[in-house]
Amino acid sequence: EVQLVESGGGLVKPGGSLRLSCAASGFTFINAWMTWVRQAPGKGLEWVGRIKSKTDDGTTDCAAPVKGRFTISRDDSKNTLFLEMNSLKTEDTAVYYCTTATVPTGGGFDVWGQGTRVTVSS
Amino acid sequence: QSVLTQPPSASGTPGQRVTISCSGSSSNIGSNTVNWYQQLPGTAPKLLIYNNDQRPSGVPDRFSGSKSGTSASLAISGLQSEDEADYYCAAWDDSLNVVVFGGGTKLTVL
Repeated sequence: EVQLVESGGGLVKPGGSLRLSCAASGFTFINAWMTWVRQAPGKGLEWVGRIKSKTDDGTTDCAAPVKGRFTISRDDSKNTLFLEMNSLKTEDTAVYYCTTATVPTGGGFDVWGQGTRVTVSS
Repeated sequence: QSVLTQPPSASGTPGQRVTISCSGSSSNIGSNTVNWYQQLPGTAPKLLIYNNDQRPSGVPDRFSGSKSGTSASLAISGLQSEDEADYYCAAWDDSLNVVVFGGGTKLTVL
């Protein structure tokens, strides 16, 4: 079964840090471009960033609101995706989803995790 | 403000056909394919339409997508109560180098 399972969310104070993980199974993780998407309470979906597969140069792209504060990485030996979040702001409060395309979808994400909640509050 | 513009709400009665629009620009919808997601309350999004008009395996053919120029549409025919959800369009934006989402449309089945 194809599955993504996020973990690491929680309550953190403004200015703090948090590291999210996403464990993948059921597909060839090493070949997958992995993406983080977040959803603030009562709001829509927001693309956070992605990391390409190492065979496609392994580079990352991040959205402007998180650039310089968030870092996306991967451990292909453990089929795990990470999101390192620093200098957190209250506006980073959201459910964070990891997602990917396991079949050719022209950029659409066909597999999503259940999400992990991050709350930034003093 | 979302880069892609969707109506905040839509509604229909069971059996009806409803459409949801998604308006963008030349840097996103105008030059890249559009994907649609359905998000049921309290759950993760689900890919509904990809490559403008393709359905993933398991998605009923009641759902269809189209694109023209810098706009796209999602149509749902034979509306059912279980279609009540939030719907989002998305596309890659060549200028911003990010995936942009619409603000979402809340569909109510009356």
